[in-house]
Amino acid sequence: DAKTTQPNSMESNEEEPVHLPCNHSTISGTDYIHWYRQLPSQGPEYVIHGLTSNVNNRMASLAIAEDRKSSTLILHRATLRDAAVYYCILWNNNAGNMLTFGGGTRLMVKP
Amino acid sequence: EAQVTQNPRYLITVTGKKLTVTCSQNMNHEYMSWYRQDPGLGLRQIYYSMNVEVTDKGDVPEGYKVSRKEKRNFPLILESPSPNQTSLYFCASSPWLAGYEKLFFGSGTQLSVL
Repeated sequence: DAKTTQPNSMESNEEEPVHLPCNHSTISGTDYIHWYRQLPSQGPEYVIHGLTSNVNNRMASLAIAEDRKSSTLILHRATLRDAAVYYCILWNNNAGNMLTFGGGTRLMVKP
Repeated sequence: EAQVTQNPRYLITVTGKKLTVTCSQNMNHEYMSWYRQDPGLGLRQIYYSMNVEVTDKGDVPEGYKVSRKEKRNFPLILESPSPNQTSLYFCASSPWLAGYEKLFFGSGTQLSVL
């Protein structure tokens, strides 16, 4: 199974950009890179996903390394509401149980 | 509103007393899955279903059963709960089993087995 590695925690100041890294050195060609976040006392929610190219949506941007062995979730201006645990996972089309979540990165945002 | 609904939100039970946690989605999704979340262990997949009447084991299936008789419902059954099944449980669904789709999660069920 392709695994991801993320820092346990990160801190950011409010209204500053945040770059959350994820390493996935054993990624396969068919693995999509997904990011989810979990706010306190809530279920995980989708943030963004991509395959090879960088992606932008209203919540964040996803920068994918050229060799796809790492990616970075970018929150352009962190708010207090962005304080959450962020999970980077690899989704393989070929097997239903290839949706493994690691420990994620706990993002703390300081006012 | 498109959503995944789990019930109950909180449940306290005793060892050995059978229980069912319900999960329902109103998005006509083919794929549904159950996870448990424990401190320091992230989310671990229990069972998943790719379609009606098609289910398969995830990473930690021991002590759990599931069924998928209708597309919208995917209940999690604990026939004889034990204290090590005390955990936070999440149901998730997706249109298809495909990496270009995304997962939708329920709000969670906090289960305590005494």
